[in-house]
Amino acid sequence: AQSVTQPDIHITVSEGASLELRCNYSYGATPYLFWYVQSPGQGLQLLLKYFSGDTLVQGIKGFEAEFKRSQSSFNLRKPSVHWSDAAEYFCAVVRNTGNQFYFGTGTSLTVIP
Amino acid sequence: DVKVTQSSRYLVKRTGEKVFLECVQDMDHENMFWYRQDPGLGLRLIYFSYDVKMKEKGDIPEGYSVSREKKERFSLILESASTNQTSMYLCASSDQGATNEKLFFGSGTQLSVL
Repeated sequence: AQSVTQPDIHITVSEGASLELRCNYSYGATPYLFWYVQSPGQGLQLLLKYFSGDTLVQGIKGFEAEFKRSQSSFNLRKPSVHWSDAAEYFCAVVRNTGNQFYFGTGTSLTVIP
Repeated sequence: DVKVTQSSRYLVKRTGEKVFLECVQDMDHENMFWYRQDPGLGLRLIYFSYDVKMKEKGDIPEGYSVSREKKERFSLILESASTNQTSMYLCASSDQGATNEKLFFGSGTQLSVL
C-alpha cells in the first residue's frame, strides 16, 4: 500500500518566487518523515527530516518543512527559489525505525527565469 | 563524507543475460538497499540487507536476487534480464539506530535491456 503521496507530478515556478511541495502520508503512528532532492544525473540527497519535537524543521539550501498531524502532511517550502533548485523532490517515510524507507512518486520542479 | 559507489553509470545488456550491479559503501554501515526508479513510480524497494549474508525482500523482488558477502558490498543480480527491467537502479546505505535514519545514495546505474 502506498504510504506517501505527492499529488503534484510537476511544478513550474519563477526564480525568486516562493515554493511549496505537497506530501501526505498514511500511517497510524507518527512516522519519521524526510525530503530528498535529486539533481539531474545524481543520486538522492537529504534536505531535511522530522522525527519528533518542533513541527517546523529547517534543512539545507534554505528549505523547511512543517509536520501537520491533523492533515497527515509534511509539505516542503522555500521562500525564494533559485534556478539551481530545479530538480526532482521526493518525500519519504520510515516506519517503526525499521530502516525501510518508502518514497513518494516525486515532484519535478522547473524554475524559469 | 560517506561514499556509496555504484560500479557502472550506464549498462546495456541483452534479454536473457545475467546482470550484476555492484555497490560499495565506505562508512561501515550495517544497512544497504537496492531501489529502482521509474518515471511516475518514484523509488521502489527491491531488496535490503541489515547485515552480512542477510537479505530481506522489498516491494518488488521478483526477477532479482542479492548478495552480501562483505559488509561494504551489496550486489544486485538479474538472473535473466528482461526488457521490463530497464530502469535506473539506486543503491543506498544507512547506519543502524533511530537517530541515524538517513539514507546515503549512490549516483545510480541506468540499465537498458534490449
